[in-house]
Order: sequence, then structure tokens, then C-alpha cells
Amino acid sequence: QQQVKQSPQSLIVQKGGISIINCAYENTAFDYFPWYQQFPGKGPALLIAIRPDVSEKKEGRFTISFNKSAKQFSLHIMDSQPGDSATYFCAASIRGGATNKLIFGTGTLLAVQP
Amino acid sequence: NAGVTQTPKFQVLKTGQSMTLQCAQDMNHNSMYWYRQDPGMGLRLIYYSASEGTTDKGEVPNGYNVSRLNKREFSLRLESAAPSQTSVYFCASSVQGFENSGANVLTFGAGSRLTVL
Repeated sequence: QQQVKQSPQSLIVQKGGISIINCAYENTAFDYFPWYQQFPGKGPALLIAIRPDVSEKKEGRFTISFNKSAKQFSLHIMDSQPGDSATYFCAASIRGGATNKLIFGTGTLLAVQP
Repeated sequence: NAGVTQTPKFQVLKTGQSMTLQCAQDMNHNSMYWYRQDPGMGLRLIYYSASEGTTDKGEVPNGYNVSRLNKREFSLRLESAAPSQTSVYFCASSVQGFENSGANVLTFGAGSRLTVL
């Protein structure tokens, strides 16, 4: 059972365009939603994260939009650059829980064309 | 700052062979994890260790065993490798409940690519 569903599986964007990746979750107990970025040959690294008490969080060109009622959240990359080409994973967890495990989505391979 | 170090980086096994993936972290993190990454499947948790001396099963534990040797080291063992275990394996560690208000921020190693023939 996939608790965090991510789409699209792959995405091609022109340089300067907006990249949008969407995720949906089922467990209403989740209260922490990070995005991880993975470059080829490397491990994933935390990019940006949001808690459900806010609807949007922005860090530079990266923005998370959160819709609690729809149980959806998305990553927007403004002014996409070739250096943003990577695989992006959304995730969810319960903060402070006994196990505090992160559940990951299936990933989106982003290619930004110059 | 080494962070999370995994060895080996690449390994080819024959079906039925055994091997151990090693992982060490130098960040004094309490929790450690083993994930596998497969195309279209994302990152799936195999086993984790919330603290030294404890281990628990994740989503896909069958065919694997783990040992939390000490606070720094967490190994993953394949007793009898199968082609279905061909994957990229990631070790990660985390500290919880301090700067991140209980959020679980994982630091990943660079991965170990395993091929089982």
C-alpha cells in the first residue's frame, strides 16, 4: 500500500520554466512533509519541508504548497535551471512518533533542458 | 565531515551468496536506517534502528538482517542473495527532536549498488 502517491514519474521543463511535482497522502496523522533531492550517483538530501499549520513555504526558487483538506502537497521550482535536473522525492511522517519513520513517494525524474 | 559512509559502493553476487553492507555515521545520530531504491518504487524502508540496541522491521524486511553494532555502525546482511534483491541500497541516519521540532531529517550515504546474478 503506497501511503504517499507522487506524480508525474518524469518531467521535462525548459530552462526558466516552472516545474511542478504533486503528492497525495492518505494518513491524516502525518504532520511533516519534506522534499528530498537526489543527483545521479548520490544519496537523497533534504531540500525543503513543511508542517500542516501553514499552506505555503518558500525557500529561494523552491516552494511547497500544502492543501490539508485535499491531503495534497506540491513542489514548485520557479525559473528552473539545468542544475535542478535531479530526482525529487516527497515524503511524510509523524513528528515525534515512536518510530518517526519517513514514508517516501516513488520519485520524479526532472530534466531541465537548456 | 564524512557524514554517512557506506561500503562497498558496488558489488556483484551470484544467487545464494551472502554479503554484508556496512554503514557508519560520525554525526552522533541516534537513529539509523536501511532503504532500497528501485525504479518506479521510490525509497522503501528495509530495517531501522531508532537507538543503539534496538532494531525494527520496515516495509520490505524479508531476506535481510541487520545489526546495530554500536551508535555509529549499522550493517545490513543478505544471507542468501536473490535476483530480486538487485537494487541500490542507502543507509541513512537522523537525530530527532532537537533543532527540527521533532521532525525526522535524514542524512543519506552515497549508496551501494548491488547486482545479484
